[in-house]
Amino acid sequence: NAGVTQTPKFQVLKTGQSMTLQCAQDMNHEYMSWYRQDPGMGLRLIHYSVGAGITDQGEVPNGYNVSRSTTEDFPLRLLSAAPSQTSVYFCASSYFSGSRPSTDTQYFGPGTRLTVL
Amino acid sequence: GENVEQHPSTLSVQEGDSAVIKCTYSDSASNYFPWYKQELGKRPQLIIDIRSNVGEKKDQRIAVTLNKTAKHFSLHITETQPEDSAVYFCAASLIEGGGADGLTFGKGTHLIIQP
Repeated sequence: NAGVTQTPKFQVLKTGQSMTLQCAQDMNHEYMSWYRQDPGMGLRLIHYSVGAGITDQGEVPNGYNVSRSTTEDFPLRLLSAAPSQTSVYFCASSYFSGSRPSTDTQYFGPGTRLTVL
Repeated sequence: GENVEQHPSTLSVQEGDSAVIKCTYSDSASNYFPWYKQELGKRPQLIIDIRSNVGEKKDQRIAVTLNKTAKHFSLHITETQPEDSAVYFCAASLIEGGGADGLTFGKGTHLIIQP
């Protein structure tokens, strides 16, 4: 298994440009999430999904769109990039097994470092 | 929504000593409390977690305690080693695992192990 993969690893955008950050998992996880990490701020939830066709907003959803057309993929779209969106973006996935609690928690992808000029 | 406070922001200990990181949370309905370790430039990785029906959990040199009445939980690392140097994050969620409703993170503790 490749686990959780994210592309690209690095990206530089100009203000106003749009782009999509890709996230994929091959573990048949139902749950997927996007977080952003800024210095001194920890990780903050942007959007999450509990299954194909179902998404919900997290703590900082403004300026981002998501969709979940398949179990494997959960892309994050920046509609019109702003310097405030300069951050490291992590995708995470998990499933709920019920019988093995330690495997329920979220596993993170390697991250995408985004700079908006 | 949930708010998680984490202290201290930086912790320096001598190799071999113990380290304790503390977190408080605001939502009494939270049920799941994981701890993540993040090395520089890498992804957060789960090191231990605890459910609300458990007061303490140990895994070798790492332990987590939970006080639901006071709404705080702590990470204890004993016999610290150089490879323990990293940033540690606590988190909380309403639903076990954190995947169904997302995790709320503390701002992190930079643990430095002095040789």
